[in-house]
This record gives sequence, structure tokens and C-alpha cells, in this order.
Amino acid sequence: AQTVTQSQPEMSVQEAETVTLSCTYDTSESNYYLFWYKQPPSRQMILVIRQEAYKQQNATENRFSVNFQKAAKSFSLKISDSQLGDTAMYFCAFMEENNDMRFGAGTRLTVKP
Amino acid sequence: DTGVSQDPRHKITKRGQNVTFRCDPISEHNRLYWYRQTLGQGPEFLTYFQNEAQLEKSRLLSDRFSAERPKGSFSTLEIQRTEQGDSAMYLCASSNRNMDRVYGYTFGSGTRLTVV
Repeated sequence: AQTVTQSQPEMSVQEAETVTLSCTYDTSESNYYLFWYKQPPSRQMILVIRQEAYKQQNATENRFSVNFQKAAKSFSLKISDSQLGDTAMYFCAFMEENNDMRFGAGTRLTVKP
Repeated sequence: DTGVSQDPRHKITKRGQNVTFRCDPISEHNRLYWYRQTLGQGPEFLTYFQNEAQLEKSRLLSDRFSAERPKGSFSTLEIQRTEQGDSAMYLCASSNRNMDRVYGYTFGSGTRLTVV
């Protein structure tokens, strides 16, 4: 069974600083896909960044980057130069081939001015 | 196309009543998913369709829940004899098979159900 664990229920960061959100997962498959979604208060979930397990290079999208450690089954999200608009719930998600997406419990991130 | 639409945004119902939610996916997407999200938790998978076929159902989907996607376009999720434990946000998402690995799922804004 797929499981996704986000061990940090809440985090906070000062504006312009860097924060890292952690995520671990469990699978016996060798190929799969990992995602980070952002859910602002009372708004819909949007995709922040994705990573394919067979790619060793860590994905980067502007201020967002991941640290993918396949052997450790770890997929952390780093947000650089944090902005007030980054305040949201962040969900780590996992998807195997021919399977649906499963989510962690989320991390509530607050960016403080 | 304005994305994934869900209706209604909010629903308050009395325990024991039936409720039905609607989801309109992105028109080019052949897959449609239903998730349930309770306060402070991540979305939990309920069921998904590929075109009009319902391919998987979670054990969370009790006999009181039924979902349809009659023409492979919009979908409905019905909850019969609602219970207070059904109170949650019900999320719909859509994707294209084989492209969801690249683009992930596109989510709607959800329907928040409150059972009183």
C-alpha cells in the first residue's frame, strides 16, 4: 500500500527566508511520480512541482525546488525567498504507474512579515 | 475552458437527507477523480472514472455513496442518508491518462458539506 508521511503539521518562516518541508513515502515500485501541491486558504489545490522517480536530477520551478532521495524515499520541498503569498497548506502526493494519486496529511506553512 | 467546476460550493443538510454534488471536469480530460478532505487532513481517494467507466472505488466509499459519470463528461456524487461523519470537503479532479504523470491532476474548488 502506498503511504505518504508529512511529519511537520505546521511550520513558519520569515518573509524572504528559506524553508524546507519534508515528505517520506513508502512503495515497492521502482518507477513512480511525486508531486507537491499548494492549497491556499479557501482556494483550490494547485500543482507546485513534480518529480519522476527515474530522473536523478532534482526538479526546480523558480523559487521552489525539491530534494529527492530515492533510496531514503524522501521528497522534500524547499521554498526560497519566501513570500506572504506562499502561506498555504502544502501536500506531498505520490502516484505509481497505473494508479491514482495519494496524499500526505499536509503541512500548514505561515510566512510572517 | 475555465478548469474543473464543482457545484454547489457549500451544502448544509440535515442528518438522514440525501445530497448530490456535481463536477464538470476539463473537457479534454478523460479521467475524473473524487476525493474527500476533512479538516486538517490531506485528500483521501474515493473513486475514479476513465471516460464513463468507474475503475476503482475506495473502501471509504460505503454503500450510501454512489458516483456516476453517465456520458464520460460531468460526474455526480450522491450520499444517501447522510451522517455527521460525512461532513467534509468533497474534491473533484480531472486529468488525461498518461499526461497526469506530467501535469498531475487539476482540482476543483470543492463542495463543503455540513451535516447537522
